[in-house]
Amino acid sequence: NAGVTQTPKFQVLKTGQSMTLQCAQDMNHEYMSWYRQDPGMGLRLIHYSVGAGITDQGEVPNGYNVSRSTTEDFPLRLLSAAPSQTSVYFCASSYFPGLNTEAFFGQGTRLTVV
Amino acid sequence: SQQGEEDPQALSIQEGENATMNCSYKTSINNLQWYRQNSGRGLVHLILIRSNEREKHSGRLRVTLDTSKKSSSLLITASRAADTASYFCATVPFGNEKLTFGTGTRLTIIP
Repeated sequence: NAGVTQTPKFQVLKTGQSMTLQCAQDMNHEYMSWYRQDPGMGLRLIHYSVGAGITDQGEVPNGYNVSRSTTEDFPLRLLSAAPSQTSVYFCASSYFPGLNTEAFFGQGTRLTVV
Repeated sequence: SQQGEEDPQALSIQEGENATMNCSYKTSINNLQWYRQNSGRGLVHLILIRSNEREKHSGRLRVTLDTSKKSSSLLITASRAADTASYFCATVPFGNEKLTFGTGTRLTIIP
């Protein structure tokens, strides 16, 4: 039972490069989300999705794009990386949060933009 | 701005003592959840308390919720070295689906 799988675990990018962080879940969860974690800031919501074909912005969406073509996958794209995007990124999935269910997290992607 | 704020930001106690951390939030909620994060790892769900509940237990964990004060507390009894981690509260605001986290409490258990 894989749960939530994130790849890669570590990545170094140069300013201006693009990349996609992958997230996949095998629990048939409708709800998926991306967070970034910075020291002293806790986790901040970037984008989320309530089902295939439906995405919405979170608290800090600028500089990031997402799509949800399948229930299982929710990739996060950085089109032109900036040093301010250096962070640890977490993907999470759950049934609808309003249904009083827990979220499951991936192990994170540590991204450094130089 | 973030929905939740944990207090204290950091806490160090001796093994065997109880640890209490608090969470305050800003808007009406559907539920409040507590998560643990070991260094460098993903978050793990500990306990969920619904807005119409006042107290909940799970093993050595006790969570209280006061919706009138918009606050919650997490009590870990008889702490162990393995409890060393960061603890986060997260809320699901009433009327939307976003799970929003606080800034966390760093707990260190001294053997």
